[in-house]
Amino acid sequence: SAVISQKPSRDICQRGTSLTIQCQVDSQVTMMFWYRQQPGQSLTLIATANQGSEATYESGFVIDKFPISRPNLTFSTLTVSNMSPEDSSIYLCSVAGADNQPQHFGDGTRLSIL
Amino acid sequence: RKEVEQDPGPFNVPEGATVAFNCTYSNSASQSFFWYRQDCRKEPKLLMSVYSSGNEDGRFTAQLNRASQYISLLIRDSKLSDSATYLCVVTKGTYKYIFGTGTRLKVLA
Repeated sequence: SAVISQKPSRDICQRGTSLTIQCQVDSQVTMMFWYRQQPGQSLTLIATANQGSEATYESGFVIDKFPISRPNLTFSTLTVSNMSPEDSSIYLCSVAGADNQPQHFGDGTRLSIL
Repeated sequence: RKEVEQDPGPFNVPEGATVAFNCTYSNSASQSFFWYRQDCRKEPKLLMSVYSSGNEDGRFTAQLNRASQYISLLIRDSKLSDSATYLCVVTKGTYKYIFGTGTRLKVLA
């Protein structure tokens, strides 16, 4: 399966600032996914990112708050903008090599907002 | 009704026990099914895909029942290290994955 590197692994940020999370894959993948998981909760999909097109956001998530880039088939970024304490969470990227194939996840970014 | 439903547990079982989890899904057109394991504050990791004929990987057996729209995971000879949350995942449409909320398993010494 693909090796997925996510950076940073954790960060503590001030409210009102922004943080960009990077996700690098060791092979070309069609689709990348960004999730959020708050403590004790299940995964919540933020958006899916296909190379060469705008990300598709789930209900409750907007591009202004969570801009995503997908410049090529091995890399994506998620920015958490104008952060507030409610954005404290684990952010996970994942990839799927093909439709209906299992997803594989990066290690996650543990984000705390003060 | 949720698209994918799991009993949240926790299932507390002694070492060596056999334990089974079910996961029901609502979309009869779902094509692919997976079980993931997630340890506390870690990322989900693929445990196994679930095939129509059922499949086994060591102590783990996964089965699919399309008629009743559920998948199951059986763990035999439970180990302390099996303690985790088990997530079922069902696909729905193009690159649409529906995650269950997970079933917590605690294996007790």
